[in-house]
Amino acid sequence: GENVEQHPSTLSVQEGDSAVIKCTYSDSASNYFPWYKQELGKRPQLIIDIRSNVGEKKDQRIAVTLNKTAKHFSLHITETQPEDSAVYFCAASIDSWGKLQFGAGTQVVVTP
Amino acid sequence: KAGVTQTPRYLIKTRGQQVTLSCSPISGHRSVSWYQQTPGQGLQFLFEYFSETQRNKGNFPGRFSGRQFSNSRSEMNVSTLELGDSALYLCASSPTGDNQPQHFGDGTRLSIL
Repeated sequence: GENVEQHPSTLSVQEGDSAVIKCTYSDSASNYFPWYKQELGKRPQLIIDIRSNVGEKKDQRIAVTLNKTAKHFSLHITETQPEDSAVYFCAASIDSWGKLQFGAGTQVVVTP
Repeated sequence: KAGVTQTPRYLIKTRGQQVTLSCSPISGHRSVSWYQQTPGQGLQFLFEYFSETQRNKGNFPGRFSGRQFSNSRSEMNVSTLELGDSALYLCASSPTGDNQPQHFGDGTRLSIL
């Protein structure tokens, strides 16, 4: 089955700097890759997603890149702010509505 | 539009008991998935329902079961509770059709004593 590895497990950045989180997946059939942000005690919230027919997608300060050949995808957050502090999860799936295989999560801490 | 609603928010049970958790999807969403979240194992897929049928199932023992009703509301049941079942159980819903993301509820925090 699908296996998703996520790195790093923790990431500390200064406010205004960029943050990058990387994920690799094993199943070449996966073609949907969402990213969720989970603040302490709250639900995971979708922040961006990408499908295999797209190499890059951007939404304001957040961008995701996908390399299907290498089976890895990355989340980029620019101009980080304290409210970006949270746990970020990557996931991979064959279908957007089906089983999401999650990475272990990255704790991001943005210090003022 | 109201989000995914899960009830109850918190639940305390003892070993050997059984429990039923409920999930009401976003209006119009027909796919409902369940996930277990623990500090040690992270987010793990339990099962997914669509039109009252289980379409996908994760690697959990048969003590974990679920169902979906004609109005798309879903329930999951855990029988013979074990200490290791203590977790946050999250429900996510998605509309029909491809390329539609899953949206999560706030979860049910289940504690086993």
